[in-house]
Amino acid sequence: EPEVTQTPSHQVTQMGQEVILRCVPISNHLYFYWYRQILGQKVEFLVSFYNNEISEKSEIFDDQFSVERPDGSNFTLKIRSTKLEDSAMYFCASSGSAYTEAFFGQGTRLTVV
Amino acid sequence: GENVEQHPSTLSVQEGDSAVIKCTYSDSASNYFPWYKQELGKGSQLIIDIRSNVGEKKDQRIAVTLNKTAKHFSLHITETQPEDSAVYFCAASKGAGNMLTFGGGTRLMVKP
Repeated sequence: EPEVTQTPSHQVTQMGQEVILRCVPISNHLYFYWYRQILGQKVEFLVSFYNNEISEKSEIFDDQFSVERPDGSNFTLKIRSTKLEDSAMYFCASSGSAYTEAFFGQGTRLTVV
Repeated sequence: GENVEQHPSTLSVQEGDSAVIKCTYSDSASNYFPWYKQELGKGSQLIIDIRSNVGEKKDQRIAVTLNKTAKHFSLHITETQPEDSAVYFCAASKGAGNMLTFGGGTRLMVKP
């Protein structure tokens, strides 16, 4: 069964460092998303991406964040200068169209120290 | 914006019993309501979803009901099995491909 895969599963980084979280969406999907879940809080939407551009983003997704589809298979989330409060589980998702369900990856746990 | 509340946060049932998880939403424009099951180390899996043009949907032991007037929807699992143990999330959105607003999750434990 096709699945969304995320790497790494766990990343520890020092405050102020840049991190890139990687996702391989399901191969024929066209819509891509990032969500995050801070420990003890709800899963929150960060950004959606379609046709090589951001289609929607939340207030959380400020200038420190960027997304990219560098090639035909990867979808990345970059945090330029990490803060302690960026520590969370980050989930990537993809869907085949604007009308079909999103499939989620297993998440990357980001710990900022 | 949309706000989704989910109850209970934890639920423990005996194998074979039924489990019910309830969610409320605030935005009447929401029209798509998926339920995801999250097992440790795995991606969240969509188990059932419902759109606002129907009031109930069933898939084997799993059913979802939607009350648009009251803005709440519920997940029903009958004849629970130990492998149903997981964290379940409800969500709401203005369409299947749109951003999802999640509830806080319910940890379901099914005791053999």
